Amino acid sequence: AQTVTQSQPEMSVQEAETVTLSCTYDTSENNYYLFWYKQPPSRQMILVIRQEAYKQQNATENRFSVNFQKAAKSFSLKISDSQLGDTAMYFCALNGNKLVFGAGTILRVKS
Amino acid sequence: DAGITQSPRHKVTETGTPVTLRCHQTENHRYMYWYRQDPGHGLRLIHYSYGVKDTDKGEVSDGYSVSRSKTEDFLLTLESATSSQTSVYFCAIREGTGPEQYFGPGTRLTVT
Repeated sequence: AQTVTQSQPEMSVQEAETVTLSCTYDTSENNYYLFWYKQPPSRQMILVIRQEAYKQQNATENRFSVNFQKAAKSFSLKISDSQLGDTAMYFCALNGNKLVFGAGTILRVKS
Repeated sequence: DAGITQSPRHKVTETGTPVTLRCHQTENHRYMYWYRQDPGHGLRLIHYSYGVKDTDKGEVSDGYSVSRSKTEDFLLTLESATSSQTSVYFCAIREGTGPEQYFGPGTRLTVT
């Protein structure tokens, strides 16, 4: 079975600051992918970043980067220079044989 | 934009009535998925399709059926809606051989 755990139900950050969202997972698959999705109040699910498990280098997309610790089964998302538009629910997801989501973390960016 | 639309976007229905949600894609993707989103659970897979007339169950398939008679349309049916099926329903597609899934705008279903 695959599981994804997001232990922070809610977080807040000041505009322009950096915030890190945590995610741990479990899978018996050797080849898998990890994702972070963003869901703003519009409800649209937006793919933010992906990481292939076989790659040691951490993925980066502009202000978004991950810290992938394969042995610890940890996959955190760092948002730098937070903007008001980053306010959203963020979901960590694991794709081994199926896509499995965590429960989500609500991030509020304050001005 | 993966060219995914869902209809209706909002629906209120009564317990015991049948409901069909439609997912439409314009780019000929082979894989299509239905998820439901509930507080505290993230998104959970209901059913998925890997081609016309080829479907399989997901994690929370009880009470739901699907059909895919054309590549572009994937229908989710609640044969007899219950209050526990009040949720937001998302359709997703997978492009080519990549692992990423892209989502439609969602349908909010309320069963009273």
